[in-house]
Amino acid sequence: GQSLEQPSEVTAVEGAIVQINCTYQTSGFYGLSWYQQHDGGAPTFLSYNALDGLEETGRFSSFLSRSDSYGYLLLQELQMKDSASYFCAVREPTGRRALTFGSGTRLQVQP
Amino acid sequence: DADVTQTPRNRITKTGKRIMLECSQTKGHDRMYWYRQDPGLGLRLIYYSFDVKDINKGEISDGYSVSRQAQAKFSLSLESAIPNQTALYFCATSGLRGDSNQPQHFGDGTRLSIL
Repeated sequence: GQSLEQPSEVTAVEGAIVQINCTYQTSGFYGLSWYQQHDGGAPTFLSYNALDGLEETGRFSSFLSRSDSYGYLLLQELQMKDSASYFCAVREPTGRRALTFGSGTRLQVQP
Repeated sequence: DADVTQTPRNRITKTGKRIMLECSQTKGHDRMYWYRQDPGLGLRLIYYSFDVKDINKGEISDGYSVSRQAQAKFSLSLESAIPNQTALYFCATSGLRGDSNQPQHFGDGTRLSIL
């Protein structure tokens, strides 16, 4: 089976930087994804790491260390609109490659 | 128009009733998924389909069934609804392109309450 662990809640102030961690246990590994979900909304794709290192997309960056089974999402220059839940997800090791999601981290950005 | 459309958006029904949630997509994707979301538990996979004749059970398929009527349509049924199936249900799609990552695109969800 697969399992992912993320903190349940994180609070930060506008303009700051916040890091949301994700550790995973899988029988195989085909990449770590991040999704954002605002209250009452649909999850939307943010980023994907298949190899070790940092991927940057604007204010958001995602990091992966396969040897440590660990990744994180880094949000810079926080804005109020970044208040949302953030989910990490890994792809199943079988040929089907469906996603398994973590339970999510609720980020609250304060003024 | 939304790329992934779920109907209904909200539904309240009684224990024992049969319910169908529908999902249609205009993205031309082969892969479609049904997830359930409960507070504090994230998204859990119920069923998924990689083409019209392909149906696969996910993590929590008991009590649910699905039908892939066409490439663009994937419906989820609760044959005899029970209160602990009260949840937010999402349909998602993704493309098929070798082993490269194909992000999942989600519908707006169906909020289902079973009394």
